[in-house]
Amino acid sequence: GAGVSQTPSNKVTEKGKYVELRCDPISGHTALYWYRQSLGQGPEFLIYFQGTGAADDSGLPNDRFFAVRPEGSVSTLKIQRTERGDSAVYLCASSLTRQGDGYTFGSGTRLTVV
Amino acid sequence: GESVGLHLPTLSVQEGDNSIINCAYSNSASDYFIWYKQESGKGPQFIIDIRSNMDKRQGQRVTVLLNKTVKHLSLQIAATQPGDSAVYFCAEARLSGYALNFGKGTSLLVTP
Repeated sequence: GAGVSQTPSNKVTEKGKYVELRCDPISGHTALYWYRQSLGQGPEFLIYFQGTGAADDSGLPNDRFFAVRPEGSVSTLKIQRTERGDSAVYLCASSLTRQGDGYTFGSGTRLTVV
Repeated sequence: GESVGLHLPTLSVQEGDNSIINCAYSNSASDYFIWYKQESGKGPQFIIDIRSNMDKRQGQRVTVLLNKTVKHLSLQIAATQPGDSAVYFCAEARLSGYALNFGKGTSLLVTP
């Protein structure tokens, strides 16, 4: 597609449940990023993929968070045993290069843990 | 730790006036800076960028100024329009890297 697509756009889940958030990057973009944006804050880096591999997952807050990109295109961010503090907008971006000017962000998935 | 921050959380301007949004950064290793616009319910949208070997860069109705001496970045929007109403973020990065470090954002409100 023309842009980065994220689904679902909104997700409400109960505390303790497992969720998966999907990102479909721009075709041909080898770099893919996940960020998390809390209310009133700027996005915070979570993980960076170059191709199929996670080149840097240092931003993942703990081992409940995991992301995959098995074929080097679509990526899934997985959160186990969700907590209310996980509530945020999860943004995905893709780029041709590692430089920021190649970033295109999706509209995000708003996750609410109740 | 080092951080990127903004001087003003909100800015209200009249339509047609010029807007200036400021940003301070503290990581002297950053050599690449970007301004993003984020509208409600959308992801950040690239506006303009500047590398540390420059002190000014102009786009369409926007200008970014970089003062490395005081580690200050600004975004100037000429003839502000209602469609410019949004939250604006500055972000810092390294050209050799990939992660962006965002500040908290400034909310720009354009009044008629």
